[in-house]
Amino acid sequence: GDSVTQMEGPVTLSEEAFLTINCTYTATGYPSLFWYVQYPGEGLQLLLKATKADDKGSNKGFEATYRKETTSFHLEKGSVQVSDSAVYFCALIKGNTPLVFGKGTRLSVIA
Amino acid sequence: DAGVTQSPTHLIKTRGQQVTLRCSPKSGHDTVSWYQQALGQGPQFIFQYYEEEERQRGNFPDRFSGHQFPNYSSELNVNALLLGDSALYLCASSLAAGVTNEKLFFGSGTQLSVL
Repeated sequence: GDSVTQMEGPVTLSEEAFLTINCTYTATGYPSLFWYVQYPGEGLQLLLKATKADDKGSNKGFEATYRKETTSFHLEKGSVQVSDSAVYFCALIKGNTPLVFGKGTRLSVIA
Repeated sequence: DAGVTQSPTHLIKTRGQQVTLRCSPKSGHDTVSWYQQALGQGPQFIFQYYEEEERQRGNFPDRFSGHQFPNYSSELNVNALLLGDSALYLCASSLAAGVTNEKLFFGSGTQLSVL
């Protein structure tokens, strides 16, 4: 079945450092890809998405590009802030199927 | 505009007991999905309700059941609780099942601990 694999955490960075969280997927056809963020004590929030190959999703300084040739959707941010500390989930969906999530990557940003 | 609200926020039960979790969708939404998020894992889809019927179901046993009410709110019931049912249970709402599952709004979840 369809699946998503994320890099293991936790990831600890200093403020203003560059962030990359790797995500690869396995799916037949052409899924849509997502990054969700879960701040402490809160539910999941959609961070960004891309629906076809070579699309770039972006929001709040975060970016991810849908790479079909490498089946990847890596999350990047040029300069992280303490407020970015959260758990990040990569996910995919095809048609009307339910979201399939990766295991999540915890990010801690220290001042 | 209230988002997705879930109750209770925390719950402690013992093995073999039954539990009911509740969810009110975001205003204007008519579809509710439930997810189980075990510690250190990503959310896993349990089922989805639309028009008071279960429309999709993930790989969960029949001990997990649900209901949707005419006002679109929903309940998740788990019978004969096992230690492995300990998890964060997330409710997500959306508009018009059968169209797309992309635009989901999640609640903060109910943390269930089974002792």
